[in-house]
Amino acid sequence: GAGVSQSPSNKVTEKGKDVELRCDPISGHTALYWYRQSLGQGLEFLIYFQGNSAPDKSGLPSDRFSAERTGGSVSTLTIQRTQQEDSAVYLCASSLPGGGREQFFGPGTRLTVL
Amino acid sequence: EDQVTQSPEALRLQEGESSSLNCSYTVSGLRGLFWYRQDPGKGPEFLFTLYSAGEEKEKERLKATLTKKESFLHITAPKPEDSATYLCAVQAGAGNMLTFGGGTRLMVKP
Repeated sequence: GAGVSQSPSNKVTEKGKDVELRCDPISGHTALYWYRQSLGQGLEFLIYFQGNSAPDKSGLPSDRFSAERTGGSVSTLTIQRTQQEDSAVYLCASSLPGGGREQFFGPGTRLTVL
Repeated sequence: EDQVTQSPEALRLQEGESSSLNCSYTVSGLRGLFWYRQDPGKGPEFLFTLYSAGEEKEKERLKATLTKKESFLHITAPKPEDSATYLCAVQAGAGNMLTFGGGTRLMVKP
């Protein structure tokens, strides 16, 4: 079946511009996660959505980062006023609800801020 | 704060040379320990979930084990196609997010 999809696969932007990254989870997966993978920091959690509950935003590095999930499916991660340190691969994952569930990752969006 | 440490950072093996990768963790209330494989330019691919000490899981040439402080990923008679970065992650406490280790980059030479 279809896995997690993300778009775009690559994004190059100029410092100070806003960017939007999209994630389409596996059908039926009510839990959706955003992570960031950079050379110096490894894989870091950003934000988590579960059904209609309020998202867990505890991993967002600054208020320039936000995310929403419409209709319990597609999610968009928005980074405002991008900085060079935002350059990284942004990964989306989805899972069935509940603890201990395996998370399935998309291919990621590589963001480069010039 | 949950901590996950993987060793070694990099491992070079000859084809057929078995070895083990280590994942040490310090968490409060482990709900699951996960192993993933990541190829360059791709997202992590799920391999195993382990839930309690003493548990073992196998898939082809890979076997994952879990104790109260660490997990091992044993690779038996590896092939060049096993070359990848292997990531360990834990889910603990009340949150469902994963905390990842830094990964082990495995290179298997023919």
